[in-house]
Amino acid sequence: AQKITQTQPGMFVQEKEAVTLDCTYDTSDPSYGLFWYKQPSSGEMIFLIYQGSYDQQNATEGRYSLNFQKARKSANLVISASQLGDSAMYFCAMRTYEANNLFFGTGTRLTVIP
Amino acid sequence: ETGVTQSPTHLIKTRGQQVTLRCSSQSGHNTVSWYQQALGQGPQFIFQYYREEENGRGNFPPRFSGLQFPNYSSELNVNALELDDSALYLCASSLVLRNYGYTFGSGTRLTVV
Repeated sequence: AQKITQTQPGMFVQEKEAVTLDCTYDTSDPSYGLFWYKQPSSGEMIFLIYQGSYDQQNATEGRYSLNFQKARKSANLVISASQLGDSAMYFCAMRTYEANNLFFGTGTRLTVIP
Repeated sequence: ETGVTQSPTHLIKTRGQQVTLRCSSQSGHNTVSWYQQALGQGPQFIFQYYREEENGRGNFPPRFSGLQFPNYSSELNVNALELDDSALYLCASSLVLRNYGYTFGSGTRLTVV
């Protein structure tokens, strides 16, 4: 069975500061992918970053980076230089090779303070 | 290229009624998945369609059903609506069955009263 855990229901960060959103996962499948999505109040899930289980390097996409620690089964999202527009819900998700779907965590609501 | 389009954006239905939600996949994408997101929760997988066949289903009862059309657009049908069916319904499309590049629509917010 797959499981995604996000233990931070809400986070606050000062504008221009960096913030880390936590995500731990569990799966017995050796081949899997980890995703982070941003969901503003409009509802759309916006893809931010992807990390494959066999990737040697941590993924980066602009201001987003994924701190992948495979042995600890964690995939934390780091947002650098936070902007007011980063205020939203953030979801960690996983897909294993065998499954046809994404498993989502319960999300973290990020609020950027001016 | 166009993204994923869902209609309607909002819907109010009465308990016991039936509802149909629609999704147009991103151009070139042949796989469509549907998710239900209850208030304050993460999305939960309902089912996926590939080449007009259901290809994977989550823990949802048979009154949740779907279709995929030759142009890869899709419908989600829910019969005998219950109050707990109130949620945001998200559609996601991808290029091939096991591709990791999902594109989500903005969802349909269904309220059952």
